[in-house]
Amino acid sequence: DQQVKQNSPSLSVQEGRISILNCDYTNSMFDYFLWYKKYPAEGPTFLISISSIKDKNEDGRFTVFLNKSAKHLSLHIVPSQPGDSAVYFCAASEITNSGYALNFGKGTSLLVTP
Amino acid sequence: DTGVSQDPRHKITKRGQNVTFRCDPISEHNRLYWYRQTLGQGPEFLTYFQNEAQLEKSRLLSDRFSAERPKGSFSTLEIQRTEQGDSAMYLCASSSLTYNEQFFGPGTRLTVL
Repeated sequence: DQQVKQNSPSLSVQEGRISILNCDYTNSMFDYFLWYKKYPAEGPTFLISISSIKDKNEDGRFTVFLNKSAKHLSLHIVPSQPGDSAVYFCAASEITNSGYALNFGKGTSLLVTP
Repeated sequence: DTGVSQDPRHKITKRGQNVTFRCDPISEHNRLYWYRQTLGQGPEFLTYFQNEAQLEKSRLLSDRFSAERPKGSFSTLEIQRTEQGDSAMYLCASSSLTYNEQFFGPGTRLTVL
């Protein structure tokens, strides 16, 4: 059962505008959330994370927002650049016997056009 | 380069053969994870090591899959009697005990003919 869902398979944004990628989760025990960026034939690259005790974390052009009551998080990229074109994965974890094993969504393919 | 490395990057094998993949984590990272990614899906957790101890292996896909981390440094993932359904990208990630962020290697792309 998919515990992390990214309902938009793709998103197209013009260069310089804001990209907003969304993610929903079902497991209320998740306490740490991460966003990864992935290019074809490469491993995922860590972008930004947020703990469940916060509702916002910012790093340069990237901001992650967490709404625990709605079990929803989003990644904002401002301004978007053509080099941001990639697949973005949302992931969530809780501490278990599996350490902090990540539960991933299926990804959203972002295309930033000039 | 001090990131996570994986070897080989690509492996093509015939059905029924055994394959082994290697992962070298970031040197100071105690935690090591293996994931599998198939087309159109996010990575799927397989197994977890803390130092040399394999603390979670129930998510390995079948008893044909096994993993080791003998000295708490590099790790290997073995698939015995490969099947066409094993074709996927196999990813390794590592993290420290202090921070939850996992850093991934480039993956090993397995193709079973």
